Amino acid sequence: QQQVKQSPQSLIVQKGGISIINCAYENTAFDYFPWYQQFPGKGPALLIAIRPDVSEKKEGRFTISFNKSAKQFSLHIMDSQPGDSATYFCAAGSKNRDDKIIFGKGTRLHILP
Amino acid sequence: GAVVSQHPSRVICKSGTSVKIECRSLDFQATTMFWYRQFPKQSLMLMATSNEGSKATYEQGVEKDKFLINHASLTLSTLTVTSAHPEDSSFYICSAWGFSSYNEQFFGPGTRLTVL
Repeated sequence: QQQVKQSPQSLIVQKGGISIINCAYENTAFDYFPWYQQFPGKGPALLIAIRPDVSEKKEGRFTISFNKSAKQFSLHIMDSQPGDSATYFCAAGSKNRDDKIIFGKGTRLHILP
Repeated sequence: GAVVSQHPSRVICKSGTSVKIECRSLDFQATTMFWYRQFPKQSLMLMATSNEGSKATYEQGVEKDKFLINHASLTLSTLTVTSAHPEDSSFYICSAWGFSSYNEQFFGPGTRLTVL
């Protein structure tokens, strides 16, 4: 019930292409779904997050698509750039600020120049 | 977004010594902070939830006597790795909820611990 399953484990995309990372969750009590970007040796940085009252959220080249009935959400990176090469983690939790969030296992994204 | 800092960023110590890592919320108050450990090429593993003014809540399998957590103020939580051993070498990261249009969880830059 607490798992967040993320795929693929690694992804290679040509510069200018679209990178797509998928996540699925089990706990229907989750109502906060963030994506984090992590570069080697650095802490995760919040990239974009969504609440289940909307099906899509876009910030620049980054878009989260959310399917509440399927309990799935995905990150789309448009016009992928070499600087986007990093590890991406999806996560899920509740809007209660004292609650922990559960992380997926991560996707190592490499953008070919 | 809200800023969370950690100190030190890197520490190398001898086996058997204790190491303290600080986590600070710089521009907001955090009644709850979280401590994670991350091994190379792996995801973040939650170790414990740090609660201001009360005892920390540890995840299953995490030794509370080995990883001492003190959340003495609304802006500071500390993690002390006691009697460190090489297997404790890892990347330790803290996080806290900060205010924004939504409540978001922000992470510190991490502390690389190497135990010789």
